[in-house]
Amino acid sequence: QKEVEQNSGPLSVPEGAIASLNCTYSDRGSQSFFWYRQYSGKSPELIMFIYSNGDKEDGRFTAQLNKASQYVSLLIRDSQPSDSATYLCAVNGVGQAGTALIFGKGTTLSVSS
Amino acid sequence: DGGITQSPKYLFRKEGQNVTLSCEQNLNHDAMYWYRQDPGQGLRLIYYSQIVNDFQKGDIAEGYSVSREKKESFPLTVTSAQKNPTAFYLCASNTGGNTIYFGEGSWLTVV
Repeated sequence: QKEVEQNSGPLSVPEGAIASLNCTYSDRGSQSFFWYRQYSGKSPELIMFIYSNGDKEDGRFTAQLNKASQYVSLLIRDSQPSDSATYLCAVNGVGQAGTALIFGKGTTLSVSS
Repeated sequence: DGGITQSPKYLFRKEGQNVTLSCEQNLNHDAMYWYRQDPGQGLRLIYYSQIVNDFQKGDIAEGYSVSREKKESFPLTVTSAQKNPTAFYLCASNTGGNTIYFGEGSWLTVV
């Protein structure tokens, strides 16, 4: 059974700071990694995905993947109050469920103005 | 506009009653999924379907049933066998590249 672990938080950062969100996964065979943002009472929305070791940048967001350490992170630069949400880390499933995603419980981020 | 439509947004179920949540997509995606989310928890996979007329159980399928008679539709029935059904239910579909997009969700409450 694949597992995805995240610190539940809350993670509190001041406006303009860098927020760092971390995630570990149990299965070395995992190949696809995703970050979703979920506002309270809403459905998750995809922020980024990453498949290869290293960094992937998209605007203020950078995803980092280290397969040797089984570790994925999301950096949010110049954090804004509107970034306050729960961030869900997800990895691809196995076998026939390979296209389904396995989610962590999420980290709650609070950005104060 | 293309997307995933879930209905109803809010639903109340009486004890012993079956209820069905609708999920329709016009994205031409083959794969569709149902997840359940409890407060403060991540998403747990209930059922998934990779193709029409085929579906598989996820991690928490007990007390639920699905059908996939059309590519566009993947309804979820919460049966009376599901003893703790109060949760946020999310339907999703896959672009074919492992990227999953969600509908707006349905809130189910037992009264």
